[in-house]
Amino acid sequence: DIVMTQSPDSLAVSLGERATINCKSSQSVFSSFYNKNFLSWYQQKPGQPPKLLIYWSSTRESGVPDRFSGSGSGTDFTLTISSLQAEDVAVYYCQQYSSGPPTFGGGTKVEIK
Amino acid sequence: QITLKESAPTLEKPTQTLTLTCTFSGFSLTTDRVGVGWIRQPPGKALEWLAVIYWNDDKRYSPSLKTRLTITKDTSKNQVVLTMTDMDPVDTGTYYCVHRSTLKGTFDYWGQGTQVTVSS
Repeated sequence: DIVMTQSPDSLAVSLGERATINCKSSQSVFSSFYNKNFLSWYQQKPGQPPKLLIYWSSTRESGVPDRFSGSGSGTDFTLTISSLQAEDVAVYYCQQYSSGPPTFGGGTKVEIK
Repeated sequence: QITLKESAPTLEKPTQTLTLTCTFSGFSLTTDRVGVGWIRQPPGKALEWLAVIYWNDDKRYSPSLKTRLTITKDTSKNQVVLTMTDMDPVDTGTYYCVHRSTLKGTFDYWGQGTQVTVSS
């Protein structure tokens, strides 16, 4: 199975500041056939199911604010919240769907400083 | 609009078999490359994928749980059922039904989840 490792486990950011979450996969999730990275990001608020934010590593889901962006390729990926808002307080997960069973990172908790 | 809703007994005893039912609307499980799956989350922990069934009845399971899981579909009822045998307290958590998108390749719609507690 591909192991997904997120860092940091938690971070506190001031309102309006940038938040950066990292995700590393134990093997590449890039497909040269499709020219895509099979990597998605989810946001989970307390008591709610996860919500898809980003797929194909950098494509924003419909309705997701443009302050959320995904980048990276191969084994190293980043989710950036360009200007943190109060409603962004949540746990964020990366997930690969490249090969084998889909696997998730351990999550990163984002709080307001 | 795609919706999914899970139903299951909230309390199970160890060694029993859990039956989870997902009832969905807004799409058909007969459409090419569509899938419905299950993901669980122990209290305070990360997400764990369990199984998926596709439009063509192809089924995939988590390797670590494969011997305990069976996933089936009833397209006439728009339902997917997951059974998990030999339940243990470590199986306690929230179980989510998910829609696997053909275009996005991943899980774009989630049910609200159903809480399952395993205790004697």
